Amino acid sequence: GAVVSQHPSRVICKSGTSVKIECRSLDFQATTMFWYRQFPKKSLMLMATSNEGSKATYEQGVEKDKFLINHASLTLSTLTVTSAHPEDSSFYICSATRTSVSYNEQFFGPGTRLTVL
Amino acid sequence: QKEVEQNSGPLSVPEGAIASLNCTYSDRGSQSFFWYRQYSGKSPELIMSIYSNGDKEDGRFTAQLNKASQYVSLLIRDSQPSDSATYLCASPGKSTFGDGTTLTVKP
Repeated sequence: GAVVSQHPSRVICKSGTSVKIECRSLDFQATTMFWYRQFPKKSLMLMATSNEGSKATYEQGVEKDKFLINHASLTLSTLTVTSAHPEDSSFYICSATRTSVSYNEQFFGPGTRLTVL
Repeated sequence: QKEVEQNSGPLSVPEGAIASLNCTYSDRGSQSFFWYRQYSGKSPELIMSIYSNGDKEDGRFTAQLNKASQYVSLLIRDSQPSDSATYLCASPGKSTFGDGTTLTVKP
């Protein structure tokens, strides 16, 4: 399958700081990437859809000023958690869509575990 | 109503048995489906894709798509403890996921 990387894999930060998470599609171009958050033993929650060269589309209840998304190229999307607080501690996962003539496949990055102290 | 639903609760099977996981979907226009496996604390991994009516086999895994009845299933033969995970089904372009089905294979 296709490879999607995320960096960092784990981050611990102090409350009030900002954290940037990178998502890269390593062997294909992705016009669309998705950002998810997952709490322990809970299902994936879609936060936003990131389209290259345009503004991200946020799901209801997700603060766009707090979770800044930039899809600067066809292989890179970033999520910045601004002024992080302990309740933002979670597992953040990105995915990238590989498009072919007949179908689209969605591949996930390995995730970033954020702990806000 | 969610576009793709996994209605079954946690599933527990003994080692070596067949595990059967099911999804139903509401959009008759859906042409293909994916099955993901997610281990605890890890991100989902694409394990099977099915694009046409019928069965698709890959090793111990068989995906089945029945467009007339609007369901898709995943069969795992000779289940192993390492298959214990949460399994998610999804349709292309539908970026939301349900709760999945948690499978436990007991030695």
